[in-house]
Amino acid sequence: DAMVIQNPRYQVTQFGKPVTLSCSQTLNHNVMYWYQQKSSQAPKLLFHYYDKDFNNEADTPDNFQSRRPNTSFCFLDIRSPGLGDAAMYLCATSGGGRGGELFFGEGSRLTVL
Amino acid sequence: AQSVTQLDSHVSVSEGTPVLLRCNYSSSYSPSLFWYVQHPNKGLQLLLKYTSAATLVKGINGFEAEFKKSETSFHLTKPSAHMSDAAEYFCVVSRGSGGSNYKLTFGKGTLLTVNP
Repeated sequence: DAMVIQNPRYQVTQFGKPVTLSCSQTLNHNVMYWYQQKSSQAPKLLFHYYDKDFNNEADTPDNFQSRRPNTSFCFLDIRSPGLGDAAMYLCATSGGGRGGELFFGEGSRLTVL
Repeated sequence: AQSVTQLDSHVSVSEGTPVLLRCNYSSSYSPSLFWYVQHPNKGLQLLLKYTSAATLVKGINGFEAEFKKSETSFHLTKPSAHMSDAAEYFCVVSRGSGGSNYKLTFGKGTLLTVNP
């Protein structure tokens, strides 16, 4: 059974048109992450939540925002997508403890026209 | 500070032959180390992890890795490659000393090709 679910799996948007990607988890994990992954590259951390505490990476553009209304859900908002934002967006969770591995969703692939 | 170096960006093997994917790490703390696999258009799946217990770690699908502190390495191996092993593999390190050890550092990935 899927434990980290991302929707939609594929999203097509127009340049500048806002997009929201969602992530839900059934693991009751404290920590939720959003990664951006471009073709043939490693995932790049955008931000993470430890419970309700939001942690933004220093180089994450202001165009990217996130919300975590409760333990189970987390959203990634891209306010004005540019062509360079086309990528796979991966949500992951972890229990936050020592050696805690990340559990990834299947990803949401964003295309910007 | 911590970092991960995957020594090969692309490895090509024949089906039935051994697989070796190399990973070196650096960490100021006692690290936790992971190998993840990613098939095309999929999320990342954990293959195995090392968290300061046994240095030889067995994972899913016949993969294993050995933590060698003296060599700062965590190479991934499999005795016999299957076609279904063709994928991208990521070596990942996290801080093991507590605190913000929930942030991970990814290697750049190794693309494994399996030839029939």
